[in-house]
Order: sequence, then C-alpha cells, then structure tokens
Amino acid sequence: GENVEQHPSTLSVQEGDSAVIKCTYSDSASNYFPWYKQELGKRPQLIIDIRSNVGEKKDQRIAVTLNKTAKHFSLHITETQPEDSAVYFCAVGGNDMRFGAGTRLTVKP
Amino acid sequence: DGGITQSPKYLFRKEGQNVTLSCEQNLNHDAMYWYRQDPGQGLRLIYYSQIVNDFQKGDIAEGYSVSREKKESFPLTVTSAQKNPTAFYLCASSIALPTSTDTQYFGPGTRLTVL
Repeated sequence: GENVEQHPSTLSVQEGDSAVIKCTYSDSASNYFPWYKQELGKRPQLIIDIRSNVGEKKDQRIAVTLNKTAKHFSLHITETQPEDSAVYFCAVGGNDMRFGAGTRLTVKP
Repeated sequence: DGGITQSPKYLFRKEGQNVTLSCEQNLNHDAMYWYRQDPGQGLRLIYYSQIVNDFQKGDIAEGYSVSREKKESFPLTVTSAQKNPTAFYLCASSIALPTSTDTQYFGPGTRLTVL
C-alpha cells in the first residue's frame, strides 16, 4: 500500500518567517495531494490541494508544490502569523487515501 | 464542514461496554469514513463505505463495527473487543469512490475515554 512520510514532526518559526513541510509517497499512481490544518481538539480542515497534472498551486500565503518524478510535495506558508499555529497533515489519494503523521507548527510572536 | 455532524462530542465508557458514535452528513456524499486519531499521530482508517448497505474494513477494523442503512448516516460501534479504545474519532465523507481522489470533509470528532 501507499506509504506517506511527513517531515518535520515539529516546526517552530518566528512570526513573519516562512514555513515549509514536506511529504514523500511511494505509489507513483497517486494523483491527489491535499493538505489539512487541525487546531487543537478540532476537525482537520482542507487548506489547499493539488492534482498530479499541476506542479504548483497558490492561495494567498499558502502554496503547494508537487514533484511527481521524485514523489514528494511540499506545503509553503509565507509571512506566518500566530494563528497559523496548528498541526498540518498531508494526504495522498489514489487507490486509497493515506495521511502523513502530521507536523506541529508553532509561530512565535 | 458544517454538513457533517458527530455526536456526542465527549463519551466515557466503562470497560466491557459497547458504545456507538454517531455520524450524519447532509452533503449528499456517497462515501463515508471513520478514522481514529491518537495523540501525536496521523489518521488511521477504521472502516469506509462507498454506498448504502456496503462497507469495507480499513487498516484497524478489529474491535469496531459499522452499518450504513442510510446514505446520510454511518454509525461506528466500539465493542468491548477493542483493547485500547481511548482516542479521538473522526468521521469524514466525500463525493464518491472508487478512487480516493475526492476531497474528504471531516466532522468535529468524538473524544472517547475508557474509564
């Protein structure tokens, strides 16, 4: 089955800095790559997603890049704010949906 | 997100008891899922359903059971056979399977604690 690895497990940045989280996957047939944000005790919420026919997608301060050849994709958050502090999960969709273990992002004011 | 509801928000169970977690959606989604989340870990799939009266085991189905009698509802029963049930349970839905390339939308979760 699909194997999804997410790094780093924790990330601490100063407000205004950028944050990057990376996920790698094993199944070359996978073709859907969403990112979820989960605040403490809340539900995961989709923040951005990308499909395999696109290499990059942006939405304001958030972007996702996909390298299908290398089988990895990354979440980029620019100009981080304290409210960006949360756990971020990547997921990989194909024959099934597999989730990364999550990255706890802390943005220090 | 508001189209998927879970109840109760918190649930306490004594050892040896079965408990049922509710999940309802009004998004007209065909596919529904149950995940378990443990502290510091990702989401692990318990069961999923593509259509009414049909469901499939996920990676950690032992000690759990589900039913899908209505499109809108996908309740999860945590049985006494589940050895370590304390966790945060998340229900999700998506438009359709068979390929998992549709966005999954999550309910607010139920936190189950075994006393």
